[in-house]
Amino acid sequence: GNSVTQMEGPVTLSEEAFLTINCTYTATGYPSLFWYVQYPGEGLQLLLKATKADDKGSNKGFEATYRKETTSFHLEKGSVQVSDSAVYFCALSASGGYNKLIFGAGTRLAVHP
Amino acid sequence: GAVVSQHPSWVICKSGTSVKIECRSLDFQATTMFWYRQFPKQSLMLMATSNEGSKATYEQGVEKDKFLINHASLTLSTLTVTSAHPEDSSFYICSASESRGNTEAFFGQGTRLTVV
Repeated sequence: GNSVTQMEGPVTLSEEAFLTINCTYTATGYPSLFWYVQYPGEGLQLLLKATKADDKGSNKGFEATYRKETTSFHLEKGSVQVSDSAVYFCALSASGGYNKLIFGAGTRLAVHP
Repeated sequence: GAVVSQHPSWVICKSGTSVKIECRSLDFQATTMFWYRQFPKQSLMLMATSNEGSKATYEQGVEKDKFLINHASLTLSTLTVTSAHPEDSSFYICSASESRGNTEAFFGQGTRLTVV
């Protein structure tokens, strides 16, 4: 079946450090891939997405590239800020659009000044 | 983004009672709403998809008689956990989409249910 695996957290970084959160997936066909972010006390928010191979999603300095050959969608940011502290979820939809999202377990990021 | 409000944020109930969780889209009409369940340190698992005015479609392994979903209007869906037991304790999250999942689905902040 379809599934998403992402690196376990927590990830602890100093401000301005480089961030990578790994995400790999298993799916038939060509799923859409997403990164969601959940700030403390808030609901999940869409951070970025990619709908086909080699697409790069980007938002707020974060980016991720849809790599079909490695079935990966790693999240990166060149210089993190304290305000980026949150839980990040990788997800896929094999059903089109935002239907039947399958999520990874989430990775908690803590950024210290 | 659009706002989805979930109520209550947390609830404690006695074993054997029923609990209703509301999910409201505040500034858009939600044709489709999704209900998820999240166990500690695990991913969100889709429980069911509901389209306004239709019966919900439940994922495999989810008991439809235990988790009653009603989506009677374009701004409100409810999840009722019937005859709750401690194993139903979990974090329940809804999301809502304007166009049957083809447009971005916005998430509520979740409801922590504890059954004692």
